[in-house]
Amino acid sequence: NAGVTQTPKFRVLKTGQSMTLLCAQDMNHEYMYWYRQDPGMGLRLIHYSVGEGTTAKGEVPDGYNVSRLKKQNFLLGLESAAPSQTSVYFCASSRFSGASYEQYFGPGTRLTVT
Amino acid sequence: AQSVTQLGSHVSVSEGALVLLRCNYSSSVPPYLFWYVQYPNQGLQLLLKYTSAATLVKGINGFEAEFKKSETSFHLTKPSAHMSDAAEYFCAVSAGTGNQFYFGTGTSLTVIP
Repeated sequence: NAGVTQTPKFRVLKTGQSMTLLCAQDMNHEYMYWYRQDPGMGLRLIHYSVGEGTTAKGEVPDGYNVSRLKKQNFLLGLESAAPSQTSVYFCASSRFSGASYEQYFGPGTRLTVT
Repeated sequence: AQSVTQLGSHVSVSEGALVLLRCNYSSSVPPYLFWYVQYPNQGLQLLLKYTSAATLVKGINGFEAEFKKSETSFHLTKPSAHMSDAAEYFCAVSAGTGNQFYFGTGTSLTVIP
């Protein structure tokens, strides 16, 4: 049981380039999330999904797109990377346990845009 | 709307001393509250959660937190700090349908030998 995995772990992009971050979970969770973590700002929700084929915007969705074609995978895309998107990106999935949802996090992807 | 505020972005304690990390929440409905720990270059790991069953919640690694509705607080404590407790700690809140989470800005804990 690998939990939540993220690919790649590190990436350097030039401004204007595109890339896709892959998140996979093997726990059969319905909900999945993408966050970005920046110093002094905690975690901010980019997009989330409440099930296969559904996505919704979070707090900071601009410049990102997502897809959930399979229940176990949640992809985060950057169509035209900007230096402001330099950040650590975390994927999470959640399940209902003991009267509330609980989130499980991946190890993160460190993205630098030059 | 829900939000959390963590007072103190950096906290230093001596090994063996009390750890106290502060979290205040805002929620228009009864909240679920969480503390997560993040070790360097890792993802977040759930320490403990409050779901209204008991106001004093015990978590992993000797941590506990007390829900105080009158103070809208959910402070994290540990009686005796260990070097391995050095990490970033995040408070989070969810409410309503419970599948969206709002995180504080984090508190970095340093343990001094």
